[in-house]
Amino acid sequence: ETGVTQSPTHLIKTRGQQVTLRCSSQSGHNTVSWYQQALGQGPQFIFQYYREEENGRGNFPPRFSGLQFPNYSSELNVNALELDDSALYLCASSLGGAQSFSYGYTFGSGTRLTVV
Amino acid sequence: GESVGLHLPTLSVQEGDNSIINCAYSNSASDYFIWYKQESGKGPQFIIDIRSNMDKRQGQRVTVLLNKTVKHLSLQIAATQPGDSAVYFCAEDNTDKLIFGTGTRLQVFP
Repeated sequence: ETGVTQSPTHLIKTRGQQVTLRCSSQSGHNTVSWYQQALGQGPQFIFQYYREEENGRGNFPPRFSGLQFPNYSSELNVNALELDDSALYLCASSLGGAQSFSYGYTFGSGTRLTVV
Repeated sequence: GESVGLHLPTLSVQEGDNSIINCAYSNSASDYFIWYKQESGKGPQFIIDIRSNMDKRQGQRVTVLLNKTVKHLSLQIAATQPGDSAVYFCAEDNTDKLIFGTGTRLQVFP
């Protein structure tokens, strides 16, 4: 059984550019959630994807968008990057629908994005 | 508004002692809480969870206590080891999203 894998691990972008981050969910999981973790803070929910559709969104502008593919992997896209977008972006997979309350979310190690 | 917060940003304990990490939450309707451990360069790792119909749940060396009256959670780690050094987050499961607190850094010294 594989865990959640994210790529790339580190990324440096220039303000105004666009970025795509990728996530492969854990085997058996069909739901992917994305979180932004600023330095010294707890993760903040961006959005969740279930059955290839957005299923809940946090307080993030539309320039944050995502996709989920038939194999349950997912992408996070951020347009018009701002300096404040610098953060660790975490992907978590889970089994949606009848959500399990034990070991529900498995997190990847994240992508460290630096915007300069 | 909803929030999950922590009382202490840093906790230093001696190896072998017990650690207690506290967390306050504000949404009285929340019914599921999770403690995560996050080591440097890694994502949050599940430690233990508890539902609102429970007051206490025990795992291996860890215990979570839930006091719904004052909306307070605590994580107790017995016989703290150097490998326990990390940042600990409580999180509230809110309709398919997690609401995290800022975190408490646990430092274990010999």
